Amino acid sequence: EAQVTQNPRYLITVTGKKLTVTCSQNMNHEYMSWYRQDPGLGLRQIYYSMNVEVTDKGDVPEGYKVSRKEKRNFPLILESPSPNQTSLYFCASSPSGVGAFFGQGTRLTVV
Amino acid sequence: AQSVAQPEDQVNVAEGNPLTVKCTYSVSGNPYLFWYVQYPNRGLQFLLKYITGDNLVKGSYGFEAEFNKSQTSFHLKKPSALVSDSALYFCAVRDLGGKLIFGQGTELSVKP
Repeated sequence: EAQVTQNPRYLITVTGKKLTVTCSQNMNHEYMSWYRQDPGLGLRQIYYSMNVEVTDKGDVPEGYKVSRKEKRNFPLILESPSPNQTSLYFCASSPSGVGAFFGQGTRLTVV
Repeated sequence: AQSVAQPEDQVNVAEGNPLTVKCTYSVSGNPYLFWYVQYPNRGLQFLLKYITGDNLVKGSYGFEAEFNKSQTSFHLKKPSALVSDSALYFCAVRDLGGKLIFGQGTELSVKP
């Protein structure tokens, strides 16, 4: 089954404690991206990757890092999380020009 | 800059009535437009897209959308709403680099 898998689904952490949210896709898509969803703001892109070892900033990259060492994986790293990064996060992958398949989301709370 | 606007935060419809969720866009060149639906505690699910061709696009779950170039709109429609259609709906446009730019979302509530 074609899917994008994120882990964990829910995470509560403390300010400053490094965390990683994993994302994996099994569709051999080149394009992957991370979004955060906040009420009234829709989804905003954090980072994206056009291919292996190619990543670039989206609209709200501050406080986040990503890597793309393999085509299927695109982890999101928060080196020092802060409360304003409390949000719902989505990973997405897409073939060029078609749209995107989204993961189930990761609800992150930073206290 | 490319952008998408969904002018209604919430749309309320009675079951069996037609529904419309509005979307307008601003892009350079020809738009690639999408609608996604998000059910509670779920990820976004693709409903339909417009790339080129007929202005009326049919998608999943009986939804359709009408592309109107002169009004720069891409409204989502369904002839007869179901209670199970209640969800959060997002319109999106793809920019030249492949990024999806989303509207702020419209909460659709269908009452029995």
